[in-house]
Order: sequence, then structure tokens, then C-alpha cells
Amino acid sequence: AQSVTQLDSHVSVSEGTPVLLRCNYSSSYSPSLFWYVQHPNKGLQLLLKYTSAATLVKGINGFEAEFKKSETSFHLTKPSAHMSDAAEYFCVVRTGGGADGLTFGKGTHLIIQP
Amino acid sequence: NAGVTQTPKFQVLKTGQSMTLQCAQDMNHNSMYWYRQDPGMGLRLIYYSASEGTTDKGEVPNGYNVSRLNKREFSLRLESAAPSQTSVYFCASGSLAGYAGELFFGEGSRLTVL
Repeated sequence: AQSVTQLDSHVSVSEGTPVLLRCNYSSSYSPSLFWYVQHPNKGLQLLLKYTSAATLVKGINGFEAEFKKSETSFHLTKPSAHMSDAAEYFCVVRTGGGADGLTFGKGTHLIIQP
Repeated sequence: NAGVTQTPKFQVLKTGQSMTLQCAQDMNHNSMYWYRQDPGMGLRLIYYSASEGTTDKGEVPNGYNVSRLNKREFSLRLESAAPSQTSVYFCASGSLAGYAGELFFGEGSRLTVL
């Protein structure tokens, strides 16, 4: 069994300040981990993914995430928030190759204050 | 460069009416999915198709049927719509060889059942 917990349903930061979106997972096997972003009225777009290579993963738009096995975490960070980062962010865990092996977190709504 | 295309984008139904959501992908992916998104619930898998000719139930299949028409197309049917099926529906596709594959999403179909 696997699960994913996004620790904050809403995060609010000021433009130009760092962003931290937290994600913890549980999995019986070595997982793949993903972060997706969803802008208003749009579909989900892949930000970055971890697949057992480097533990620090860089994604699009200046985002990165670090896989920490000891803490079962995969937190998403960005050094400086931009207004265009306002969106919903989903952490996703996958174990195994089965088509139903994906588990989505409930999402974190990122608000950027001017 | 269409990716995953869903139709219609918006639909309003009365309780008991039926409708079909259409999805097509042009990335030659084997696997296709239907998810629903509700506030605070993340994405929940309704049905998926691991390959042409196969379909399987996901987490919330009741009240829905699917058809994998060919490799490109995967439709979702509501036979007798209920207000509880008011949601945003996303189609996704992916090539899930191994466990590192990502999903590609359509822009969503917003359904209201009155």
C-alpha cells in the first residue's frame, strides 16, 4: 500500500520570497515521486519527477525537490516566488508498473501576495 | 501539438440524463485514464485502460462506464447522471513502462448535474 500526504492545504507567500510545499509519502517499495502543477481552469502539468537517480531534482520554472528517504519526504521549493506561480500543486507517488499504481495527494493551493 | 484533447469542456445536465465525455491522445500512449477532481479531494481514479482492448475499475467507478475505442480514444459515459457526479473530469494518458512514466492531462471537462 502507498499513500501521500501534503501537509498544507494552502500556502501564502509574498512575491520574491521562498516557496516550500511539503509532501510526505509512505510506500512498501522504492517509489517514483512527482510534482504536478495545475493553473486555474487548466489540466495538470508535470513540474518534476524523482526516479531513483539524483535525490535533488530540478524542474521547470525554477522549482526543485529533494528526495529524503530517511524522512519519507519530497518537499517542493523555489528560491523566489513569482505571481505566475499561483496555482494548485499535487504530489504524486507511484510504486510498480501497474496502471493503477499512482496515488495523488489532495493538493496545496499556493497564493502569491504582491 | 495537441497532446490530450477532451470534449466537451463544459456541460450542464439534469438528474437522470446521460452523456459521454470524449478523450483522444496523439502521443501513441498505451495507457489512458479518467479522473474526477473535487475540492479538497485531489484526483480520484474512475477507470483506466492499460492497453487497447482492456479497461479496469479505479477507486470510484460506480455510475460510470468506459470504452477504449482504439489506441487513441477513451470515452467516459454517465448513464443516469446524479448531482453527486458534479465534478471536473480529467482524461490522462501515459506510457507506463517501468514505474517512471509520467501522465499527460487534458484541460478538463466541467460537469454540473442539477
